Parts: sequence; structure tokens; C-alpha cells
Amino acid sequence: KNQVEQSPQSLIILEGKNCTLQCNYTVSPFSNLRWYKQDTGRGPVSLTIMTFSENTKSNGRYTATLDADTKQSSLHITASQLSDSASYICVVRSTDKLIFGTGTRLQVFP
Amino acid sequence: DTEVTQTPKHLVMGMTNKKSLKCEQHMGHRAMYWYKQKAKKPPELMFVYSYEKLSINESVPSRFSPECPNSSLLNLHLHALQPEDSALYLCASSQDPDRVVNTIYFGEGSWLTVV
Repeated sequence: KNQVEQSPQSLIILEGKNCTLQCNYTVSPFSNLRWYKQDTGRGPVSLTIMTFSENTKSNGRYTATLDADTKQSSLHITASQLSDSASYICVVRSTDKLIFGTGTRLQVFP
Repeated sequence: DTEVTQTPKHLVMGMTNKKSLKCEQHMGHRAMYWYKQKAKKPPELMFVYSYEKLSINESVPSRFSPECPNSSLLNLHLHALQPEDSALYLCASSQDPDRVVNTIYFGEGSWLTVV
């Protein structure tokens, strides 16, 4: 069964600290992996897309990694800001379907 | 302009009402999507339109009826909904339905409450 699992479910960090969110997937065939940020009550916003051959991709303070062998991805947030408080969703594309993870809810406190 | 615009932002309707959600994009995207998202859950795909034709219907009840009048517009017609249909409805679009690596742009969503 195609699944995308994220950990932790929720995370609280202090402003300025770094954090890493994890995504494990069992999706076949694999096309690409995306990370989205979703503020409460808003639509998801794309952060990165990585294909099979890409190991790392950065978007400002966000850096995503992909290990296609172990089927794991991580999203590293550097020097967190209050505006980083949101849900972060890992999404894996398989042919014409997007399989969504349940998300990690990040709260950044001052 | 990388925007997907959805209206209305909020909608409250009775179970006997007929209403519509609207979605618009002017990025020249040829794939458009409707997703339903309940609180603290990931979005669930409802429909996909490719080149203005319905290509995927994820076994959605017939009380939800999608319509794609042209390449920029996507509607979701609602009729005889149930309270459990209350959710955030997200519209999304992507450039080329046949390309695997496509950024999917989401709208802000329409909050639907069925009373």
C-alpha cells in the first residue's frame, strides 16, 4: 500500500533554533517528492520538489534531502522564525497520483 | 502571477441548498484539481481535469459536481450536502498534466460549513 509517514506529528521550538522534519515513504512507482508548507486555514505552498536523482534542494532557510534507496526525506529549517509556524506536508508523486503525508505541525515560540 | 483564486472564502449552506465554489487561474495551466481537507488531516483528491476534461474522479458522491467551463476556470457545484461535508475545499493547478515534475499551486481554499 502506498503510504507517506511523517514524524514527529508536532514539534515546538524556540525562535532562532534549527529543526529537522522526517518523511518515510513506501510508494511505487516513485516519481518525485515534494514538501509543502500550510498555514492554518490556508492552501499549501510548495517549498521543494525533488526527483529520484536529486539528493538535496534548498529554498532559502529550507533544505530538503532525499535518499531514494532508503525511501526517506528530511526537511531542515535553519534559524527558525515565528512565521515558520505551520504544518509541513510531505507529498510523494506516483504516476498520476499525489500521496500526502499527515504532516508535522511546527510551532515556533519567541 | 502565480495565483489560484478561490471564491467564496467562506460558505455556509443548508442541506437543501444549491451552491457553487469557483476557482480561477491565469497561469496557462492545463491541469486543475479539487481537494477536500478536514481539520488536521492532509488534503484528499476529489477530481482532476486535464485539458478541460475530467480525467480523475476519486469516487466522489454525486452531490459534488465539477465543471470546467474553460482552461482558466473550475467550478464545484454543491447540492444536498451533508454536515460531514463541511471542510476546506482546495483548488489547485499545474502546468502540464503529462509532465511528472510539475509544481502544483494551491488556492487559499473555501471553507464550507453545512448546517
